[in-house]
Amino acid sequence: EAAVTQSPRSKVAVTGGKVTLSCHQTNNHDYMYWYRQDTGHGLRLIHYSYVADSTEKGDIPDGYKASRPSQENFSLILELASLSQTAVYFCASSWDSQDTQYFGPGTRLLVL
Amino acid sequence: GEQVEQRPPHLSVREGDSAFITCTYTDPNSYYFFWYKQEPGASLQLLMKVFSSTEINEGQGFTVLLNKKDKRLSLNLTAAHPGDSAAYFCAVSAPGNTRKLIFGLGTTLQVQP
Repeated sequence: EAAVTQSPRSKVAVTGGKVTLSCHQTNNHDYMYWYRQDTGHGLRLIHYSYVADSTEKGDIPDGYKASRPSQENFSLILELASLSQTAVYFCASSWDSQDTQYFGPGTRLLVL
Repeated sequence: GEQVEQRPPHLSVREGDSAFITCTYTDPNSYYFFWYKQEPGASLQLLMKVFSSTEINEGQGFTVLLNKKDKRLSLNLTAAHPGDSAAYFCAVSAPGNTRKLIFGLGTTLQVQP
């Protein structure tokens, strides 16, 4: 089974501060994704990547950057954290774009 | 683009009863369909992936029905037990080159003992 890990598991950040969420997968998956989950909105795709050193915008990319320095690692960066970015963030990976996505444990972010 | 509507958003059943969740989608070219389960405070775990035109798939304690003619994906938890209490999400693969899954908003299921 796919192994996707995230760090940190929870974080409290201040408004205007920089936040970096990290994701690591050990299954040689080409595709990696960042989602945020809010009550009533389900999962929304922020950024994704299908190859190292390249990222693509998802449905809600504003206020977020992504970095894919290697096949195994995918980061989500909030340059200027805002209250509205309080949410649970999930990383996922898959073999290809249409296949099963395997999710990490999530990061609970609280911006104060 | 593809849109997925999941119903109901909340569902409460008694232990031993069935729980039925449905997703409808819009793009007839979608071809992979998924059900995920998310227990409270946990991540999403794959329940089942289906892709045939009309298919009934049986898992451990649940049945998935895909009806491509009606563009409907269903999950039926038979004889639900308290351990089934969780959020359930359907997902549909977006055709073409969009490279992503489209998720429903989820159904929160509570099974009363």
